[in-house]
Order: sequence, then C-alpha cells, then structure tokens
Amino acid sequence: EAQVTQNPRYLITVTGKKLTVTCSQNMNHEYMSWYRQDPGLGLRQIYYSMNVEVTDKGDVPEGYKVSRKEKRNFPLILESPSPNQTSLYFCASSSLGETQYFGPGTRLLVL
Amino acid sequence: DQQVKQNSPSLSVQEGRISILNCDYTNSMFDYFLWYKKYPAEGPTFLISISSIKDKNEDGRFTVFLNKSAKHLSLHIVPSQPGDSAVYFCAASGGDSGAGSYQLTFGKGTKLSVIP
Repeated sequence: EAQVTQNPRYLITVTGKKLTVTCSQNMNHEYMSWYRQDPGLGLRQIYYSMNVEVTDKGDVPEGYKVSRKEKRNFPLILESPSPNQTSLYFCASSSLGETQYFGPGTRLLVL
Repeated sequence: DQQVKQNSPSLSVQEGRISILNCDYTNSMFDYFLWYKKYPAEGPTFLISISSIKDKNEDGRFTVFLNKSAKHLSLHIVPSQPGDSAVYFCAASGGDSGAGSYQLTFGKGTKLSVIP
C-alpha cells in the first residue's frame, strides 16, 4: 500500500529537549516536505527536499532542521524545542506532476 | 502576504443541498490548483484538481471551477452528504520546472459542516 508514515503520532516534551520526528514514504517520490498546521493559519511549509541531499527552507524554517540521506526518509529535527513549536506536523511526498500525499500527522506539545 | 485565501473559515449546509467553497489567489504564476480534504486526526487527502488551461473539472459529486481573470476558484459539492463534513484546503502551485512545480501554497481552510 502506498503511504507516508510518521512517528511518533503524539509527543509531549519539555523545552530544550532535542527531538526527531521521522517520515518515510514507499512510493519512490523525489519530493518530500514538512508542514505545520496551526489554528487559523492553515498549512505552512517548514522545509522541503527535491531529492537526496537537496533540501531548502519553506515559509517557517526557524527552529527546525531536516536531512535527506535516503530517498524514502525525511526526518524533522527540533534541536531545542520551544512552546511556540507546539503544533500539528505533516510530512508529504510527491513526484513531479503528481499530487502530494500526506502522512497522518504528529501532534507535538512542548511544555 | 497570503497568496491563497479562503475567506470563509466555516460553512454549514443542509444534507442534499449544494456546498460551495471559495478560494482566491494573488500569484499569477500559479497554474495548477487543488483541493484537499482533511478529517480530524488524519492527514489531508487529495480531492480534485484543475489546470489553468481549463475552467472546469468534474469528478462525481465534486466540481471545481476556475476563473483565471478573477483569480478565483470554487469547489461545488452536489449533493452534500454528512460524510463530507471536514476541513477543505485550497492549494496552488506553479512557476518554473524546478521547485515551483512541486511546491504547494495552501489557504487557511474552510470547515464544512453538512447537517443531516
């Protein structure tokens, strides 16, 4: 089954404690992206990757890091989480000319 | 500056009637438009799309209309069903053959409630 998976689905952490949210897709898509969804703000892009070792900033990259060492994986790293990073995070992937497939989301609470 | 705008945060419609969700955009480089549907606790799922070379695309109960001169698109759902209750996001892409072809700019979403 074609899918985008994210782990964990729910996470509660404290300010400053480094965390990683994993994202994996099994569709051999070259493009992957991270979004955050906040009430009244819709979906905002954090980082994206056009292919292995190629990443770029989206609209709200501050406080986040990403890496793309393998085509199927695109982890989102929060080196020092802060309460304003409490949000619902989505990973997505696509091939050129295709629609983006989204993962199920990761709900993060930073205390 | 918001490039894709959904000015109605919410919409309530009786079951069986038509739901019309609206979306406006400002970037003339956008040439592909999509609607995504999102249920609580799930990721957005693709619903329907339209290329800028068309003014209408239909898929079952869902029709998207594009008015390029007005930079406006709308999603019509006929007839509306309770299972259609969800948040609907309008998205747009376009530009060069590089990142612009992949990148989606989303609106803030419209929450549709279909009342039985």
